[in-house]
Amino acid sequence: AQSVSQHNHHVILSEAASLELGCNYSYGGTVNLFWYVQYPGQHLQLLLKYFSGDPLVKGIKGFEAEFIKSKFSFNLRKPSVQWSDTAEYFCAVNAPGGSYIPTFGRGTSLIVHP
Amino acid sequence: DAGVTQSPTHLIKTRGQQVTLRCSPKSGHDTVSWYQQALGQGPQFIFQYYEEEERQRGNFPDRFSGHQFPNYSSELNVNALLLGDSALYLCASSPDRNRSPLHFGNGTRLTVT
Repeated sequence: AQSVSQHNHHVILSEAASLELGCNYSYGGTVNLFWYVQYPGQHLQLLLKYFSGDPLVKGIKGFEAEFIKSKFSFNLRKPSVQWSDTAEYFCAVNAPGGSYIPTFGRGTSLIVHP
Repeated sequence: DAGVTQSPTHLIKTRGQQVTLRCSPKSGHDTVSWYQQALGQGPQFIFQYYEEEERQRGNFPDRFSGHQFPNYSSELNVNALLLGDSALYLCASSPDRNRSPLHFGNGTRLTVT
């Protein structure tokens, strides 16, 4: 069975600081990778996804993530965060071997101070 | 607008009672999944419905059951409620059962006292 680890549970940054949230998964086969975001009072929504091809993927609002297969990682980055990036961030993975049912990490709470 | 709608938004029940949560998927989506999200945790997969049948199930007891209707809407039923069932229940829809991203509703906050 696949599993997802998010090592940073709580992150506090000031505006304009750079962000990197870690995500590691355990599954030996082909995977599809996702980052979802939940802004305060809103539903979970897709930030970006990786299926294949260029391991550096760009999402909405200036976020990007890099898939490093050898490290089983899919870290989320943003060069300069804004107060409006305050949210919960969830990494998820699905795989054909798991019937494409996504497994989620426990999430990272990001607070950005203005 | 979430596209996926869930009702009710909040619910308070007593141990031993039964509860039914409802979900309407995003237009054009035929696959519905249910997740339980405990405080401080990520969503945990309960089950997935497609063509009115349960297709996949996570590690949840038989007290958790569901249904999908011909219009693709879905219900989650939980019998014999326990205090530990208190959580946010999320419904997610997708246009297929493959790798497509999920579209989530706002969830139903269930409190069991």
